[in-house]
Amino acid sequence: LAKTTQPISMDSYEGQEVNITCSHNNIATNDYITWYQQFPSQGPRFIIQGYKTKVTNEVASLFIPADRKSSTLSLPRVSLSDTAVYYCLVGLISSGSARQLTFGSGTQLTVLP
Amino acid sequence: DAGITQSPRHKVTETGTPVTLRCHQTENHRYMYWYRQDPGHGLRLIHYSYGVKDTDKGEVSDGYSVSRSKTEDFLLTLESATSSQTSVYFCAIRVTQNTEAFFGQGTRLTVV
Repeated sequence: LAKTTQPISMDSYEGQEVNITCSHNNIATNDYITWYQQFPSQGPRFIIQGYKTKVTNEVASLFIPADRKSSTLSLPRVSLSDTAVYYCLVGLISSGSARQLTFGSGTQLTVLP
Repeated sequence: DAGITQSPRHKVTETGTPVTLRCHQTENHRYMYWYRQDPGHGLRLIHYSYGVKDTDKGEVSDGYSVSRSKTEDFLLTLESATSSQTSVYFCAIRVTQNTEAFFGQGTRLTVV
């Protein structure tokens, strides 16, 4: 499984754009990159998934450079309710280990007023 | 919300007793997962299932067993609960190994 590295924590202010970067140097050719969000006392929730370049949905954007060794989750104009833990996952789809869904330690984002 | 229900939501049990947590889904998804989450830690995979009677170990499987006799139910059993198994347990489901996972609300287990 490709190991991921994220900052442990980040602080931001309301209305700012937040970028959380995840490193995954040994990503495999067929791996997808997925981000989840978790609020206290709740299970994680899917945010966005991508393979290369840029993906955007109503919640966030995901930027993936050509070498795919990192990815950046971008949250536009954050609010207090975006305070949560954000997890970056890299999934192998070419082997039996793809069945596993393994989370790292995540990034605690705290949005300040 | 995805049709996934965990039961019980809260449980207090004594050391050495057996405990079974249930994850029930109405989505007919193939993949099901059990995680534990402790303060200051991310989610750690205990066991997962990729079909009826098809299960495999995750990273922290010691002291836990699972069973999946039908698509909709995935049971997690602590044969002899220990205080180190006090945690919040989350169940997740997904259609394929490449699609998003949906999580249950969690079960808070306290072993005294």
